[in-house]
Amino acid sequence: NAGVMQNPRHLVRRRGQEARLRCSPMKGHSHVYWYRQLPEEGLKFMVYLQKENIIDESGMPKERFSAEFPKEGPSILRIQQVVRGDSAAYFCASSPVTDTQYFGPGTRLTVL
Amino acid sequence: DAKTTQPPSMDCAEGRAANLPCNHSTISGNEYVYWYRQIHSQGPQYIIHGLKNNETNEMASLIITEDRKSSTLILPHATLRDTAVYYCIVRVALLGSGGSNYKLTFGKGTLLTVNP
Repeated sequence: NAGVMQNPRHLVRRRGQEARLRCSPMKGHSHVYWYRQLPEEGLKFMVYLQKENIIDESGMPKERFSAEFPKEGPSILRIQQVVRGDSAAYFCASSPVTDTQYFGPGTRLTVL
Repeated sequence: DAKTTQPPSMDCAEGRAANLPCNHSTISGNEYVYWYRQIHSQGPQYIIHGLKNNETNEMASLIITEDRKSSTLILPHATLRDTAVYYCIVRVALLGSGGSNYKLTFGKGTLLTVNP
């Protein structure tokens, strides 16, 4: 009964590079959610995905950020041309259909 | 935005019950109340949820008032490891989803500090 897995746990990028964050949902979960937590702030919803579909991306920045949840493999949150303001903890959660969301341990992104 | 109001911080003595209040006066009839906690910088941990009836599990109890405008999370015997930020969340259905898709909106929560 592995929980939600995220990797890498820590990621360091220089300004202008790309960051790829991976999330493997719990077994049997077909819904994935991404949240961002800036230093000393609360969690902010970013995007909600089902297999091969984006359900709600109202919290995603308009530029540089994208997310996918392919038919096979983990969900990916991609940040292009990272800036220092992207430094944050990124959490993924998964749920079975419309039930309770369970969170992963997060990826801490540091942009130098 | 969050539909809940919580005190920013609370203290509790180790071994005593911790009672964390939450106001959600604009809650709709079919919206659930969820509680999560975040210990230091870890991922949020699910605690409990409820709709109308009081709920209990191995972690906590949830007491929801009859009018559903407020609730209380009870940790019956708090330990030092229960020190965390506790979030009370009203789970809202996405517009146009027919009640089949939901998202969570986190507020600032309550920082519970359990003291020895």
